[in-house]
Amino acid sequence: NAGVTQTPKFQVLKTGQSMTLQCAQDMNHEYMSWYRQDPGMGLRLIHYSVGAGITDQGEVPNGYNVSRSTTEDFPLRLLSAAPSQTSVYFCASKGPNQPQHFGDGTRLSIL
Amino acid sequence: SQQGEEDPQALSIQEGENATMNCSYKTSINNLQWYRQNSGRGLVHLILIRSNEREKHSGRLRVTLDTSKKSSSLLITASRAADTASYFCATVYGGGADGLTFGKGTHLIIQP
Repeated sequence: NAGVTQTPKFQVLKTGQSMTLQCAQDMNHEYMSWYRQDPGMGLRLIHYSVGAGITDQGEVPNGYNVSRSTTEDFPLRLLSAAPSQTSVYFCASKGPNQPQHFGDGTRLSIL
Repeated sequence: SQQGEEDPQALSIQEGENATMNCSYKTSINNLQWYRQNSGRGLVHLILIRSNEREKHSGRLRVTLDTSKKSSSLLITASRAADTASYFCATVYGGGADGLTFGKGTHLIIQP
């Protein structure tokens, strides 16, 4: 049972480039979410989804897009990367009355 | 804005000692959760305490909740080197279904 898998683990982008961070879970969880973690800060919610075809914004959604075409996958897109988006990104999923399961993160640097 | 704030920001103790971390939050909650993050890894859920509970135990972990003071504490007894990690409290983010809002965390170092 792999849990929540995030790819890539590391990425360096130039300002203005686009990229998709991948997240997949094999626990058949309806709820999935994306967070970013900046130095000295707790995790902040970017976007979340309560099921295939349904997404909504979290606390810090600007500059990010998401879609949920399947239960398993919840990709996060940066359309035009900015240095302020340098961060560690975590994907999480959960089932009903269960705690969040987190992936190991994608470390993203924007130059 | 972040809901929870942990205190202290960093804590270094000797192996075998007990470690206590505190968390304060701002708005009313249904439950409060504690997570651990080892260096370079994702967060791992430790324990959830509901708003109608005052204390909860799980192995060497003891969590208390005081809703009148909007605060919680996490006690790790008989600490081990493997307990070295960052610890975060989290509450449900109001606008995000089951999404969580986290404090900045307490970085715990267990000296052998």
